[in-house]
Amino acid sequence: DAMVIQNPRYQVTQFGKPVTLSCSQTLNHNVMYWYQQKSSQAPKLLFHYYDKDFNNEADTPDNFQSRRPNTSFCFLDIRSPGLGDAAMYLCATSGIGSYNEQFFGPGTRLTVL
Amino acid sequence: EDQVTQSPEALRLQEGESSSLNCSYTVSGLRGLFWYRQDPGKGPEFLFTLYSAGEEKEKERLKATLTKKESFLHITAPKPEDSATYLCAVQAASSASKIIFGSGTRLSIRP
Repeated sequence: DAMVIQNPRYQVTQFGKPVTLSCSQTLNHNVMYWYQQKSSQAPKLLFHYYDKDFNNEADTPDNFQSRRPNTSFCFLDIRSPGLGDAAMYLCATSGIGSYNEQFFGPGTRLTVL
Repeated sequence: EDQVTQSPEALRLQEGESSSLNCSYTVSGLRGLFWYRQDPGKGPEFLFTLYSAGEEKEKERLKATLTKKESFLHITAPKPEDSATYLCAVQAASSASKIIFGSGTRLSIRP
């Protein structure tokens, strides 16, 4: 089945220690997104790639970076995690067209000690 | 400013007790409205897309409807396995690929 895969599902890191989360997709979608979701809140868009074009949200901290080496993979790098960065990180994809539903992966739960 | 508001924040129902969840939106030209289901600790699962006022979509015990200002997710004779958070999101005509989420309705169905 075509899907969005995120690894790892759970990540524990120390305050200030860089961490990388990964996302891969078999849907062959052009657009890939990274969201941050905290408890009982809506997903918050951090950035997205339209093919290789990177689109950063204005309020995304510089501490968050992303890479998309090819169509299938996308990475979220948190350079110096703080306690406030503990959250669920969701990757999503969508196709190009007038109506593009987003399909989500299972998420990575990040804990910062 | 484009905005999505969901109500109620939380809803507890008895098994078999039908009800509706509301999603009100303000957007400069609606391209699409989406409903998602999210279970605890998991990513949102896509349910429906609605494109224009008057449109309806159904899946098992769920039916989504759309007007020019709001959408309803009707749940008929719910079962405990329908317990989840239901998220509504909209895509504006001016947005090539971004959607705006509401904060969700947390639905709990008691056996």
